[in-house]
Amino acid sequence: RKEVEQDPGPFNVPEGATVAFNCTYSNSASQSFFWYRQDCRKEPKLLMSVYSSGNEDGRFTAQLNRASQYISLLIRDSKLSDSATYLCVVKGKNYGQNFVFGPGTRLSVLP
Amino acid sequence: EAQVTQNPRYLITVTGKKLTVTCSQNMNHEYMSWYRQDPGLGLRQIYYSMNVEVTDKGDVPEGYKVSRKEKRNFPLILESPSPNQTSLYFCASSPLLTGLTGELFFGEGSRLTVL
Repeated sequence: RKEVEQDPGPFNVPEGATVAFNCTYSNSASQSFFWYRQDCRKEPKLLMSVYSSGNEDGRFTAQLNRASQYISLLIRDSKLSDSATYLCVVKGKNYGQNFVFGPGTRLSVLP
Repeated sequence: EAQVTQNPRYLITVTGKKLTVTCSQNMNHEYMSWYRQDPGLGLRQIYYSMNVEVTDKGDVPEGYKVSRKEKRNFPLILESPSPNQTSLYFCASSPLLTGLTGELFFGEGSRLTVL
C-alpha cells in the first residue's frame, strides 16, 4: 500500500462547480499535512496547510480526520484558473521524518 | 528574495557523460530534497538531506549521488547518465523544525534529456 493515496482523476468539471479531492495516508505518526498545486511542467506550490480543526482560505476548504487518516480539499465556485494537479503531502513530526507526496489528482475546469 | 535555485534549467547530454545539477537555497533551511517527475508517475523522491552531512535515499536513488557539504547547497550528480534518467528534476528545501509545520519550497525545475 502506498503511503499517501489520492483519487486517481482526472476530474473534468464546469466552471462554478464544487469539487472535492480525497487523500488517505498510512503512517499514523504523520503530523503535518499540506495541499500543493502544480501547473503543467511547473514546480509545485503550497496551496494550503491542513490543520486539525479544518481551515478555509477563500473558496478552498481543507479538512483533516486523524482517526480515519484522511485529508480532503474542497474547491467551491471553481474557476478556469483552478485547472492544475493537486498534490496531497504528509510529513512526520520528529526530526528525521520525510515529506511524502501523493500521486496527485488532475483537475480541468471547463468553460 | 527567498528562493531555491537550480542549474542548469535545461540540458541535453549523451549517455555516460557525468553531469551535476546544482541546487542552492538562501533561506538557511535544514531539509533539502531532490525529485524527478515523469509523465503518469508523479513526483518521486531521489535523495533527501536533513542537514549538513546527513543524506538518505528516497524512492528512486539508483544512478544518482548527492552531497551536503554546506547547508545551502545540495547538488545532484549523475555519474554515468542513461536515457532512462531523462526527466524533469526538482530540488526543494524546508525549514525542518521539530514539532512545527514546514512548507516545502521548490526550485523551478531542471529538464534533462539523455541521448
